[in-house]
Amino acid sequence: QQQVKQSPQSLIVQKGGISIINCAYENTAFDYFPWYQQFPGKGPALLIAIRPDVSEKKEGRFTISFNKSAKQFSLHIMDSQPGDSATYFCAASRNYGGSQGNLIFGKGTKLSVKP
Amino acid sequence: SQTIHQWPATLVQPVGSPLSLECTVEGTSNPNLYWYRQAAGRGLQLLFYSVGIGQISSEVPQNLSASRPQDRQFILSSKKLLLSDSGFYLCAWSGNMNTEAFFGQGTRLTVV
Repeated sequence: QQQVKQSPQSLIVQKGGISIINCAYENTAFDYFPWYQQFPGKGPALLIAIRPDVSEKKEGRFTISFNKSAKQFSLHIMDSQPGDSATYFCAASRNYGGSQGNLIFGKGTKLSVKP
Repeated sequence: SQTIHQWPATLVQPVGSPLSLECTVEGTSNPNLYWYRQAAGRGLQLLFYSVGIGQISSEVPQNLSASRPQDRQFILSSKKLLLSDSGFYLCAWSGNMNTEAFFGQGTRLTVV
């Protein structure tokens, strides 16, 4: 119930292509779904996040698509660039009476964008 | 603005030696604090979290312990390191009502 399953484990995309990373969850109480980006040797940083009241959120080249009935959400990176090469983590958490619970992370996807 | 400091950046320690990693947060009060471990090619494993001074919750049984002696200070310790303690350790904070977690730059620990 607490797991967040992320796929693929690694992804190679040509420059200009679309990178797609998928995550699935089981706990229907989750209500916050962020994506984190981590460069080698650095800590993860929040990239974009979504709540279940919307099906899509876009920020620049990054889009989260959310399917509540399927309990799935995905990250799409349009016009992928070599600088996007990093490890991406999806996560989920739930609200406990006004206080957000701990984030549950997926295992990460290592993205390599080839020039 | 809030900042999180974590040190050292890298550390090589012999098996059986003690460990102390420190994390401090500036620019906020009463943050939730977290220690994560990231093994090579794997995800983020939550080790400890704290919602206040002296309040520590452990997520997994292990050779490590955590303490929060001050509101914005979080320490990860071990009395005797094992080879399996090697990894990338990340400290993070979040606000009680916020959802975003802010990570430090991490400590690469190698136990030899």
